[in-house]
Amino acid sequence: NAGVMQNPRHLVRRRGQEARLRCSPMKGHSHVYWYRQLPEEGLKFMVYLQKENIIDESGMPKERFSAEFPKEGPSILRIQQVVRGDSAAYFCASSPGGFQPQHFGDGTRLSIL
Amino acid sequence: KNEVEQSPQNLTAQEGEFITINCSYSVGISALHWLQQHPGGGIVSLFMLSSGKKKHGRLIATINIQEKHSSLHITASHPRDSAVYICAVNYGGSQGNLIFGKGTKLSVKP
Repeated sequence: NAGVMQNPRHLVRRRGQEARLRCSPMKGHSHVYWYRQLPEEGLKFMVYLQKENIIDESGMPKERFSAEFPKEGPSILRIQQVVRGDSAAYFCASSPGGFQPQHFGDGTRLSIL
Repeated sequence: KNEVEQSPQNLTAQEGEFITINCSYSVGISALHWLQQHPGGGIVSLFMLSSGKKKHGRLIATINIQEKHSSLHITASHPRDSAVYICAVNYGGSQGNLIFGKGTKLSVKP
């Protein structure tokens, strides 16, 4: 499968735990985007990364959330000390850069108990 | 505040009908995207356009930059077209920061 790979597909955490969501972009894509879809709401931009750089993090909550896209390996969205309100579907997309279409992964459904 | 408005919010059609979903936005954009999301599933990019019209199979997307409006048309609709259709835009020079509409939930009955 040469598409955008996200894992896990489903993640259950208890309040206070950490959640790590992974995204491997399509082959040849060096730009990664993370979006969040809260229940019954539309998609919202979180962060845009290139390899080893955060380009735009204007949509990231100021606390507990961080993202990285290392030189090797997948992009990681990390949520520390999760709360019920973090329950959502988190989508990753990638593109080769410039104004090109973004290709989306199948998402990670995060549930907080 | 940058906004993307879609209409209708919900749409039910009979198989074979011609369907139109509308999207309007408030300020200048560099690109507009139409996306498809199936229930519980992932998101598929259908079109990215900045002017004119694009066609792929039974799907047609148009954009009018002066009126800040785009339409997605589905010809000869089929139950498998049932999904949520989402309009999203890149405002100004923003390459990655997509602003999304709330989506149009389409249900095509056999």
